[in-house]
Amino acid sequence: DAGVTQSPTHLIKTRGQQVTLRCSPKSGHDTVSWYQQALGQGPQFIFQYYEEEERQRGNFPDRFSGHQFPNYSSELNVNALLLGDSALYLCASSPTVQETQYFGPGTRLLVL
Amino acid sequence: KQEVTQIPAALSVPEGENLVLNCSFTDSAIYNLQWFRQDPGKGLTSLLLIQSSQREQTSGRLNASLDKSSGRSTLYIAASQPGDSATYLCAVMDSNYQLIWGAGTKLIIKP
Repeated sequence: DAGVTQSPTHLIKTRGQQVTLRCSPKSGHDTVSWYQQALGQGPQFIFQYYEEEERQRGNFPDRFSGHQFPNYSSELNVNALLLGDSALYLCASSPTVQETQYFGPGTRLLVL
Repeated sequence: KQEVTQIPAALSVPEGENLVLNCSFTDSAIYNLQWFRQDPGKGLTSLLLIQSSQREQTSGRLNASLDKSSGRSTLYIAASQPGDSATYLCAVMDSNYQLIWGAGTKLIIKP
């Protein structure tokens, strides 16, 4: 079992650009959650996908959008990047919404 | 609004000591509480999960307790080792099944 995988591992973008981050869940998991973790802080919940639909959303602007595919993999898209979007973006998967979430290694995004 | 606080923000102790990390939360209506470990630049590893109906969970040298009524949890690490050095994060799952996180305690175990 490969566990949760994320790509790319690192990314550098400039302000105003758009970025897409990808996540493959652990085998047998159909729920995917995305988090943003700024340096020195705990993760902040962005949104959660289940059955290809956004089920829950945290306090993030519409610039943050996502998608879940039939194979349960997921993408996080961020438009009109700001310097403040620089962070570690974590993806987590779980068998159901209330069970333990397993985290990927994250994608570190730097916006210049 | 649920808020999670972890104290201390950083802790440095000699190898072999027993230690306690603290986590407090403002709303007792939680589904569960989890402790995670994060190594520098890495993702998160789940250490222990305590359901709201439970009082404690143990895994090896780790023991986590939960007092829902007072909004507190502790993570006890016995006989600390240099390999325990990491940031430890506490997260509560609220009634909407969202994880609300503390900022973490950075632990350094000195050989």
